[in-house]
Amino acid sequence: DTGVSQNPRHKITKRGQNVTFRCDPISEHNRLYWYRQTLGQGPEFLTYFQNEAQLEKSRLLSDRFSAERPKGSFSTLEIQRTEQGDSAMYLCASSPREMDIQYFGAGTRLSVL
Amino acid sequence: GNSVTQMEGPVTLSEEAFLTINCTYTATGYPSLFWYVQYPGEGLQLLLKATKADDKGSNKGFEATYRKETTSFHLEKGSVQVSDSAVYFCALTSSMDSSYKLIFGSGTRLLVRP
Repeated sequence: DTGVSQNPRHKITKRGQNVTFRCDPISEHNRLYWYRQTLGQGPEFLTYFQNEAQLEKSRLLSDRFSAERPKGSFSTLEIQRTEQGDSAMYLCASSPREMDIQYFGAGTRLSVL
Repeated sequence: GNSVTQMEGPVTLSEEAFLTINCTYTATGYPSLFWYVQYPGEGLQLLLKATKADDKGSNKGFEATYRKETTSFHLEKGSVQVSDSAVYFCALTSSMDSSYKLIFGSGTRLLVRP
């Protein structure tokens, strides 16, 4: 198993542009989580999926953010009209089932200029 | 709400020194507790976990004991190596939260000098 894969690893964009990140979880993991980590802080929960259903969204996830997980496999996180405050590391994690260990990808670092 | 508080870093030690990184938590119900480690340029890796009071998690020479009476989960290692230099995160999940999302502390950077 190759672990959780995130692409791209780095993204630099100009304020106001849209960006999309992709996460490929470990095969057959039915739970997928997105977190955001800013410099010097621990990761903060954004949203999670059980299979293809998005079951919870944090209040951190403004209406400019949208996440999908079609067919319960990979997931995408899109940010529309990016702002400088969106600059952060976006982490994806997957787990085989509830209450189980979460396995993290290496993250996508977003820089908004 | 649920929260985790870690000692601030950086923690700088000489090789073979004893390590303690303090972690305390606030949670409803019966949380599970975790230590994750983040090496430079890599993703978070689970280091150890404990799921109930008095459990001791251990891995790679690191240990932490789930202390319900003091709401603590301090990380310890008897003899650190240069390769242990990384950022360490204490985290919890709550059994009262069906998402089982991780709640993290702010992280403690460890630097081990030869």
